[in-house]
Amino acid sequence: SQQGEEDPQALSIQEGENATMNCSYKTSINNLQWYRQNSGRGLVHLILIRSNEREKHSGRLRVTLDTSKKSSSLLITASRAADTASYFCAATSFIQGAQKLVFGQGTRLTINP
Amino acid sequence: GAGVSQSPRYKVAKRGQDVALRCDPISGHVSLFWYQQALGQGPEFLTYFQNEAQLDKSGLPSDRFFAERPEGSVSTLKIQRTQQEDSAVYLCASSLALREVQYFGPGTRLLVL
Repeated sequence: SQQGEEDPQALSIQEGENATMNCSYKTSINNLQWYRQNSGRGLVHLILIRSNEREKHSGRLRVTLDTSKKSSSLLITASRAADTASYFCAATSFIQGAQKLVFGQGTRLTINP
Repeated sequence: GAGVSQSPRYKVAKRGQDVALRCDPISGHVSLFWYQQALGQGPEFLTYFQNEAQLDKSGLPSDRFFAERPEGSVSTLKIQRTQQEDSAVYLCASSLALREVQYFGPGTRLLVL
């Protein structure tokens, strides 16, 4: 499998706490993306960080990228019950002009009210 | 318009049966991607199209898998002589262009008995 790794595989925290998920990948990338998936649903795009960026913010989301370590982290601040979902990173490279996504195995996040 | 839609949402097949899974991309989206997601795993790339041209099918697991997009819009993923290991969620995604963000459909959950 070409999939990257995410840790932890599962995370359970109390509402209001911050949640941090980590991702490691194997290939060279053009950018790295984070997606969210609710049970039984498709993936929803959250945020994209380019390979020449080190940190990016979007609302309660903060993403970091360390290309030397081939790793990224996603921080969700002030978590809410509605944040309960699986979160996937996707290492993105442009091959033959197309955006190829290689997903990690995901982190299952549970926010307890 | 509406997001990516897929049908059927659930499919139960007996081993050896042929199945056809449909994807309706977002109107105007040039690129269309198929992914396979095993239980508890991240999605894995199967194939992609630019308009009606299938540019990469390197992720298709065997010659029993066949995808088409004859008019550059709706796509069908066909699996012949289904096997139990084909049981998974099949996700379709579309993007405005090859390098743009991919928007995912809800997936078709296939169970082969």
